[in-house]
Amino acid sequence: GAVVSQHPSRVICKSGTSVKIECRSLDFQATTMFWYRQFPKQSLMLMATSNEGSKATYEQGVEKDKFLINHASLTLSTLTVTSAHPEDSSFYICSARDWGTNTGELFFGEGSRLTVL
Amino acid sequence: SQQGEEDPQALSIQEGENATMNCSYKTSINNLQWYRQNSGRGLVHLILIRSNEREKHSGRLRVTLDTSKKSSSLLITASRAADTASYFCATDITQGGSEKLVFGKGTKLTVNP
Repeated sequence: GAVVSQHPSRVICKSGTSVKIECRSLDFQATTMFWYRQFPKQSLMLMATSNEGSKATYEQGVEKDKFLINHASLTLSTLTVTSAHPEDSSFYICSARDWGTNTGELFFGEGSRLTVL
Repeated sequence: SQQGEEDPQALSIQEGENATMNCSYKTSINNLQWYRQNSGRGLVHLILIRSNEREKHSGRLRVTLDTSKKSSSLLITASRAADTASYFCATDITQGGSEKLVFGKGTKLTVNP
């Protein structure tokens, strides 16, 4: 089946630094990718929809300048957490839609755990 | 805001028993999906049911969908300790011209050996 890879799986950084998380669709092209954030013991909150070749669409309440999304190719989307603070510590999960399936099935990455000290 | 609301929030059963989790949602959907997540891990897609379907089976899983009540249920039969995980329903909706998947709060299932 289709595979979505996220990197890094874990990252620890100092407050004030920026962190980039990559999301790759390994065996299919994804014009649309989604970024989610999950706090401990809570559900996934959709942050933004990443569109290849155009600007990302952010959900209400998500700071565009804080969470920079770049979807530069059909297989790669990146999320950059800028000037990270401890409250940005979270589990970030991406997903990519494979329109090669009948239903445009979504495939999820394994997630990236960010810890900001 | 979240679309789906699962209940119960937590469920603890004995191995061999059946586990039923419910999900309610608010708006029209394209389809509804159920996912499983082990602690601190990524999501595993379990089953997708389209808006025009009422019931679907996959192994020990049975999903129902009632669009008139805007609700769905996931039944896991003959549960095993390995089924211990959090289960989320997610509704595939079209909003603002784009299609997105919105997750419910989840049910934490514990299957005791």
